[in-house]
Amino acid sequence: GDSVTQTEGLVTLTEGLPVMLNCTYQTIYSNAFLFWYVHYLNESPWLLLRSSTDNKRTEHQGFHATLHKSSSSFHLQKSSAQLSDSALYYCALKTGGLSGKLTFGEGTQVTVIS
Amino acid sequence: EAAVTQSPRNKVTVTGGNVTLSCRQTNSHNYMYWYRQDTGHGLRLIHYSYGAGNLQIGDVPDGYKATRTTQEDFFLLLELASPSQTSLYFCASSDERDWGDEQYFGPGTRLTVL
Repeated sequence: GDSVTQTEGLVTLTEGLPVMLNCTYQTIYSNAFLFWYVHYLNESPWLLLRSSTDNKRTEHQGFHATLHKSSSSFHLQKSSAQLSDSALYYCALKTGGLSGKLTFGEGTQVTVIS
Repeated sequence: EAAVTQSPRNKVTVTGGNVTLSCRQTNSHNYMYWYRQDTGHGLRLIHYSYGAGNLQIGDVPDGYKATRTTQEDFFLLLELASPSQTSLYFCASSDERDWGDEQYFGPGTRLTVL
């Protein structure tokens, strides 16, 4: 079945430094839609950004990611971390059409310190 | 704005107890989902549904039943709760008219099984 790998479970960053969270996926399907969800403590998870277009950068709220189908990757980046970026970040994969079913990675807990 | 509510927000029960978690969405979404969130495992899909009376098995269904009574309401049932089911449970909904439709999450229910 489909799988998503987020290699970093915990990331601690200094404010102002760049952020990069890794996400790779595996699927037998040629079509893949990738998502990044963010979960702040005591809130509901919500969609940060998404893409199904190969080699096209997508951006939202200062974060960006590019889907690379050749390497099955969808890494999340930000040029300068802020204290308010401290949260749990999930990469997720959808394949196979309109079933709605997402496969989530294990998540990366990001803590930004001053 | 999508609205997904869950009740109760916190629940403590004993091993062998019966628990029902409730979820309601008011956005006329066809799809609803139940997830559990555990450190080191991320969000894992328990059951989902694409309409009233429909139920689809997710990735971690053992020990859980679910029922979708209306388009708005989706329930998760633990008939013989075990300590391994202690977790944070999220309900979500989505439209799925387009492949990239996002899922909207509720605030979560924290369940403790003693």
